[in-house]
Amino acid sequence: DIQMTQSPSFLSASVGDRVTINCKASQNINRYLNWYQQKLGEAPKLLIYNANSLQTGIPSRFSGSGSGTDFTLTISSLQPEDVATYFCLQHNSWPHTFGAGTKLELK
Amino acid sequence: EVQILETGGGLVKPGGSLRLSCATSGFNFNDYFMNWVRQAPGKGLEWVAQIRNKNYNYATYYAESLEGRVTISRDDSKSSVYLQVSSLRAEDTAIYYCTRRGAPDYWGQGVMVTVSS
Repeated sequence: DIQMTQSPSFLSASVGDRVTINCKASQNINRYLNWYQQKLGEAPKLLIYNANSLQTGIPSRFSGSGSGTDFTLTISSLQPEDVATYFCLQHNSWPHTFGAGTKLELK
Repeated sequence: EVQILETGGGLVKPGGSLRLSCATSGFNFNDYFMNWVRQAPGKGLEWVAQIRNKNYNYATYYAESLEGRVTISRDDSKSSVYLQVSSLRAEDTAIYYCTRRGAPDYWGQGVMVTVSS
């Protein structure tokens, strides 16, 4: 199985900060990487698909980059409503595997 | 609007079985692969099973850790997908999510399954 190593596990940032979250795959997954946001008590929401495509309805402050084994989710200017856990998913090969998640809180 | 609603969770004794249901609306169900994903308390997400659509002969895929104990099925006439889990263990305690598309774009709210005596 492809292992997804996500970092950091926990992140504290201030409103307006630029935030980056990383996922590293144990082998090449091309661009088959999605990013999700999960707020407490809610279902996960798709933010970015195929590494860098913004899902419809997601604010443009969210962006994704990377290919191969290294990927990044960036929030350009953190907003209070962005407090959540973020996780990545590789869908290059079965079984699809998730990163362990990054819990983002406000400083 | 895409809607996904899971039902069928609850408290089950070890060794028991459970059938989870997922009812959907707001999209052409026949066109999509459907999945079950679970999240144990305080843990990360784990893919459980996938069922493809008619064009792919309803092919199914299972997580190795669960193979032999789970069966995913679908009823296109009801826009619904199901997960049968047997020989339940404490470590199967989790929220089970029903998701749409091979790489999920929509998720249900999830249903809690607790395995305990």
